Amino acid sequence: QVQLVDSGGGVVQPGRSLRLSCAASGFSFRKYAIHWVRQTPGKGLEWVAVVSEDGKNRYYADSVKGRFIISRDNSKNTLSLQMNNLRTEDTAVYYCARDAGQLAGITYYFDYWGQGTLVTVSS
Amino acid sequence: DIQMTQSPYFLSASVGGRVTITCQASQDIGNYLNWYQQKPGKAPELLIFDASNLQTGVPSRFSGSGSGTHFTFTISNLQPEDIATYYCQQYDDLPPTFGPGTKVDFK
Repeated sequence: QVQLVDSGGGVVQPGRSLRLSCAASGFSFRKYAIHWVRQTPGKGLEWVAVVSEDGKNRYYADSVKGRFIISRDNSKNTLSLQMNNLRTEDTAVYYCARDAGQLAGITYYFDYWGQGTLVTVSS
Repeated sequence: DIQMTQSPYFLSASVGGRVTITCQASQDIGNYLNWYQQKPGKAPELLIFDASNLQTGVPSRFSGSGSGTHFTFTISNLQPEDIATYYCQQYDDLPPTFGPGTKVDFK
C-alpha cells in the first residue's frame, strides 16, 4: 500500500538549518509529483513546496521562497526539504504528500500524506 | 491568494444524524475544490475531489456539491469514526489554499 514516512524534525534555533526527509513506498515514486504541506494551530494547513516527477521543476510558497529547497532522489524513492534561515513562524508539523496526478502534471491536491514531523524553531 | 472560509467552525451532532459544512472561496474556483478529514494526531485524508467525486474507498455517506464560490460537504448517518476536523482546499489557483477547518463532535 502507499506509504510516506516523514522524518528529520526537531528543535532548532532561529537562523539555523534543518533537513526533512520523506521515504516513499508502495507506488511508482517517479511517476508522481510530491509536496510538502505544513500545519500550525494558528495558521492551519499551508502548502509549502512541490517538486515535479522528474525533479526538474520546483515551486514554493512565497513564505519560504529563497530559504527552503525541495529535492528528490528517484533512485532511492526519497524526498527532502532543506530548510535554511529558519524563523519562529516556520514552527509546524510538516507533511510530505503525494500529488493526485500520475504523470499528468501537478494537480496541487494530495491523495496520500505522511504522518508528519514536528519542527520547532525556538531560541 | 484565494481565501477559503468555512462554517461553522464547530458543530455537534448525534450518531446517525446529518452534518452539513459550507465552504466559500474568495473568487470563482470552478469545481477545483477538495475535502479532507483529519483525526486527532493524524494526517489529513482526501475524501472528495473536484467538489463532488468520492475518493476510492470513502464511504458513500460522505458527499460534496457546489461550484464557483459556494460548496457544501455532507455526512449523512454520522458514525463514531467520523469525529474529526474537516477542511476544504482549492487548487484552481496557486498557491493551493485550505479553509480553517470545521470540527465535528458528538452531542
